[in-house]
Amino acid sequence: GAGVSQSPSNKVTEKGKDVELRCDPISGHTALYWYRQSLGQGLEFLIYFQGNSAPDKSGLPSDRFSAERTGGSVSTLTIQRTQQEDSAVYLCASSLRKDNEKLFFGSGTQLSVL
Amino acid sequence: GDSVTQMEGPVTLSEEAFLTINCTYTATGYPSLFWYVQYPGEGLQLLLKATKADDKGSNKGFEATYRKETTSFHLEKGSVQVSDSAVYFCALWANTGNQFYFGTGTSLTVIP
Repeated sequence: GAGVSQSPSNKVTEKGKDVELRCDPISGHTALYWYRQSLGQGLEFLIYFQGNSAPDKSGLPSDRFSAERTGGSVSTLTIQRTQQEDSAVYLCASSLRKDNEKLFFGSGTQLSVL
Repeated sequence: GDSVTQMEGPVTLSEEAFLTINCTYTATGYPSLFWYVQYPGEGLQLLLKATKADDKGSNKGFEATYRKETTSFHLEKGSVQVSDSAVYFCALWANTGNQFYFGTGTSLTVIP
């Protein structure tokens, strides 16, 4: 596609439910990032994928959060047993390679946990 | 650890006014510095960058100079337009890690 695509754009869920957020990066981009943007906060790094290397999961806030990237392309961020503090905009970004510093962002998924 | 601190908003300016959004950073080594912009309803996009001390990044009339002595990367524009209304994020890439560090964002509204 022409840009980074994220779905859904909005997700409302009940506390305790699991959610899956999808990111489709730009074709050929080997690096993929997930960030979280909470109200009044900066972008919080969650996880980073680079090619076939083991992902950098150092930013995941708890073991309820996990992510995978299949075939070096599409990525899914899963949040289990959602809590109200998980409410935020989840942003995905990709770049051509690790040392290419220009990130291309998707429009994000607005997650609301009631 | 590495971090970015940027001026809190929101900022409201009249068209053709001068804009400064302050950004300072903390980093080990020699990071690359960026400004990203998020227009209403759109994803973040790169506005400009500088990769070494004294470099000046520029784009769309915006400028920022990498100042190592003051660890700053302030964003400036001489004459803002209504179309510049957006949220601006200062960011740092540490070259040794796997992530960008972003500031909290500064919302700019330009009124006619």
